[in-house]
Amino acid sequence: DIQMTQSPSSLSASVGDRVTITCRASQSISSYVNWYQQKPGKAPKLLIYVASSLQSGVPSRFSGSGSGTDFTLTISSLQPEDFATYYCQQSYSTPWTFGQGTKVEIK
Amino acid sequence: QVQLVQSGAEVKKPGASVKVSCKASGYTFTSYYIHWVRQAPGQGLEWMGIFNPSIDSTTYAQKFQGRVTMTRDTSTSTVYMELSSLRSEDTAMYYCARDQARATVVTRPDALDIWGQGTMVTVSS
Repeated sequence: DIQMTQSPSSLSASVGDRVTITCRASQSISSYVNWYQQKPGKAPKLLIYVASSLQSGVPSRFSGSGSGTDFTLTISSLQPEDFATYYCQQSYSTPWTFGQGTKVEIK
Repeated sequence: QVQLVQSGAEVKKPGASVKVSCKASGYTFTSYYIHWVRQAPGQGLEWMGIFNPSIDSTTYAQKFQGRVTMTRDTSTSTVYMELSSLRSEDTAMYYCARDQARATVVTRPDALDIWGQGTMVTVSS
């Protein structure tokens, strides 16, 4: 199985900060990485697919980059509604696997 | 609107089975893959498998092989996930999710764009 390792596991940031979350795959997965946001008690929400494509309706402050084994999710200016847990996920091969999550908290 | 509506919470004893339903609406049911993902309390997301409603085919994660079955009822646009031989470690929120890629022979699964609200399954003696 492909392992997805996210860092950091948590971070504290202020409104307006630029936030970067990284995800490393245990083998090359081309650009087959998706990013999700999950708020407490809610289902995950798709933000970015195939590494850098912004899902319809998602604010443009979210962006994704990377290919091969290293990927990044960036929030250019953190907003109050962005405090949540973020997961990367690979769709290169089954079983699909997720990173362990990054919890973004208010500083 | 496009949505997936799941069945209600379940409490089961160890060794029993549970069957969770996921009813699709707002789109052509057979046109998109459906995945199942679970999340234990306070933990991360775990992919269980994918179902192609068009041709009634499945791919299961090796971890669940032999215990999980995904089926469909096209008359009600519903996908089912049954997990057997339940143990305490199966206590989790179970989600169905639609893949945004169309389920064709030339299209690979892509990303999970529509999620059900989740079904809490508790396994306890």
